[in-house]
Amino acid sequence: AQKVTQAQTEISVVEKEDVTLDCVYETRDTTYYLFWYKQPPSGELVFLIRRNSFDEQNEISGRYSWNFQKSTSSFNFTITASQVVDSAVYFCALRGDYSGAGSYQLTFGKGTKLSVIP
Amino acid sequence: ETGVTQSPTHLIKTRGQQVTLRCSSQSGHNTVSWYQQALGQGPQFIFQYYREEENGRGNFPPRFSGLQFPNYSSELNVNALELDDSALYLCASSRGGGGGHEQYFGPGTRLTVT
Repeated sequence: AQKVTQAQTEISVVEKEDVTLDCVYETRDTTYYLFWYKQPPSGELVFLIRRNSFDEQNEISGRYSWNFQKSTSSFNFTITASQVVDSAVYFCALRGDYSGAGSYQLTFGKGTKLSVIP
Repeated sequence: ETGVTQSPTHLIKTRGQQVTLRCSSQSGHNTVSWYQQALGQGPQFIFQYYREEENGRGNFPPRFSGLQFPNYSSELNVNALELDDSALYLCASSRGGGGGHEQYFGPGTRLTVT
């Protein structure tokens, strides 16, 4: 079975602070994919990034960066110089490889609600 | 915006009734997945349709059923509604059913069962 744990339920930061959202996953698949999504109050899930299990390079996109560590089964997300528009619920998700029932589904964590205070 | 549309936006139904939710996938996408998101929770996978066939199902009872049409749009049908079915229903489309494809989500349908 696959599992994603986001231990931080809610985080509040003051604008311009850096913030890291934690994600720990469990899977028996040797190949898998990790995702981060943002859900603003409007409700629509916005795709942020996909990471393949065989590519452990960290990635930076503007103020966003992701740290994938296979050894600790973690895929953490950092926002640098946070802004009020970053306020949302952030979900980490996992998808298994191309085998067996359930391999197509995204397994989501419970999400971390980020509030950026001006 | 992703190009994935869902209708209706909101819906109120009574326990025991049936409901149909609709989803139009993004251009070029042949796969649609449906998720249920209860308040304060992450989305839960219901099922996925690839080229008009169901090719994966989560832990949901048979009263949750679906269809995919030749233009890759999709419907989610829920029979014998229960109070616990109240949730945000999200549809996502992707280029294929495999693990590496990103899923792009629609705005969701908020279903309230009274």
